[in-house]
Amino acid sequence: EAQVTQNPRYLITVTGKKLTVTCSQNMNHEYMSWYRQDPGLGLRQIYYSMNVEVTDKGDVPEGYKVSRKEKRNFPLILESPSPNQTSLYFCASKSGRDSPLHFGNGTRLTVT
Amino acid sequence: DQQVKQNSPSLSVQEGRISILNCDYTNSMFDYFLWYKKYPAEGPTFLISISSIKDKNEDGRFTVFLNKSAKHLSLHIVPSQPGDSAVYFCAAETSYDKVIFGPGTSLSVIP
Repeated sequence: EAQVTQNPRYLITVTGKKLTVTCSQNMNHEYMSWYRQDPGLGLRQIYYSMNVEVTDKGDVPEGYKVSRKEKRNFPLILESPSPNQTSLYFCASKSGRDSPLHFGNGTRLTVT
Repeated sequence: DQQVKQNSPSLSVQEGRISILNCDYTNSMFDYFLWYKKYPAEGPTFLISISSIKDKNEDGRFTVFLNKSAKHLSLHIVPSQPGDSAVYFCAAETSYDKVIFGPGTSLSVIP
């Protein structure tokens, strides 16, 4: 089954404790992206990657890092999480221009 | 400054009637538009799209209309069903890398 898998689904952590949210897709998509969803703001792009070893900032990249060492994986790293990073995070991938995004089921992160 | 706007946070419609969800955009460089549907505890799923060279695209009960001069698009669902109750996101794309989402409209279809 074609899918984007994120882990964990829920995560509660404390300020400053480094964490990684994993994302993997099995559709051989070149493009992958991370979004955060906040009430009233919709989905905002954090980082995206157009291919292996190619990453770029989205609209809200501050406080986040990503890496793309393999085509299927695109982890999101929070080196020093802060409470304003409490949000619902989605990983997504797509095959190319003018094609829809395929989303994972989300990771709800709470930073206290 | 939101480039993609959905001015109605919520909408309630009777089962069997038409649902109309609206979306406005400000960037004239957008050339591809999509609608996604999201249920609670799930990721958004693609519903329907339209290229800027068209003004209408239809897929079953779902039709998207694009008015480029007004920078406006709308999603029509006919007839509405209770299973259509979800949050609907409008999205616009300028190039391979930039996909901008609106804030979403929560649709409730009342049986």
